[in-house]
Amino acid sequence: DSGVTQTPKHLITATGQRVTLRCSPRSGDLSVYWYQQSLDQGLQFLIQYYNGEERAKGNILERFSAQQFPDLHSELNLSSLELGDSALYFCASSVADPGQSDGANVLTFGAGSRLTVL
Amino acid sequence: DQQVKQNSPSLSVQEGRISILNCDYTNSMFDYFLWYKKYPAEGPTFLISISSIKDKNEDGRFTVFLNKSAKHLSLHIVPSQPGDSAVYFCAAGEGMEYGNKLVFGAGTILRVKS
Repeated sequence: DSGVTQTPKHLITATGQRVTLRCSPRSGDLSVYWYQQSLDQGLQFLIQYYNGEERAKGNILERFSAQQFPDLHSELNLSSLELGDSALYFCASSVADPGQSDGANVLTFGAGSRLTVL
Repeated sequence: DQQVKQNSPSLSVQEGRISILNCDYTNSMFDYFLWYKKYPAEGPTFLISISSIKDKNEDGRFTVFLNKSAKHLSLHIVPSQPGDSAVYFCAAGEGMEYGNKLVFGAGTILRVKS
C-alpha cells in the first residue's frame, strides 16, 4: 500500500457520459498529480496541484478538469467521454514544494483507476 | 513530441545475469531522472534516481548511469531475479519551478527467466 488511495478501481461507462475519479494523497503530501496511461503508452502528465492551487498543466483535454480540496484530496472530472478516453488514470502525490531546490523529488503513485468507455 | 524514449518494448534475461534497460531524452533542461517499476494491477513504484550533477548512482542490485552528452541513461540490474519481472519506466524532470512534474517513457517489459 503506497498510501495514495484512488477510487474507483474500475469504471465502465458509455460515450458522452461524465465521471469523477478521486484521489487521497499520502499523509503529509501537499502536491497531487494526475497521469493518464493509454494502451501501450507511457504515463502522460495531465495536471498538478499544490496545496489547493494548480501548479502545472500538461496535455489535459478541455473536457477534463481537476481540483484539489482543502483536505488535499483531489478529483479528476472527465466529461463528454469518448472511446479514446479509455485508459488507466493514476494519481500521484509528493511532499515537495515546487519551489524546493531538492532535485530528487519522488512521486508516490496510487494503484490507478481503470476507465472503460463503451 | 516524445521527450523521453525507451526504444526497447521488452527485454528477456536469464536469472542471475545482468539486465540493462535504456532510456534516451531530448530535453536538455531535464536535471533529474528516475526509474519506476510497475507490477500488474499496481501503480508505479519508485526504484532509483539520479541528479544531473552525477553520472552514476547505485542502490543494491540497481545502478543508474547518466550520460548527459549523449542524453542517455541506463538501469543495470545485477543479478537479475524473477521478482524483477515488471514494466520499467524511465522518467525525467526539469526543475522545481515547473511543478516537479515527471515526463515518462513508454516503458520496457522485463522478463527474468528462472
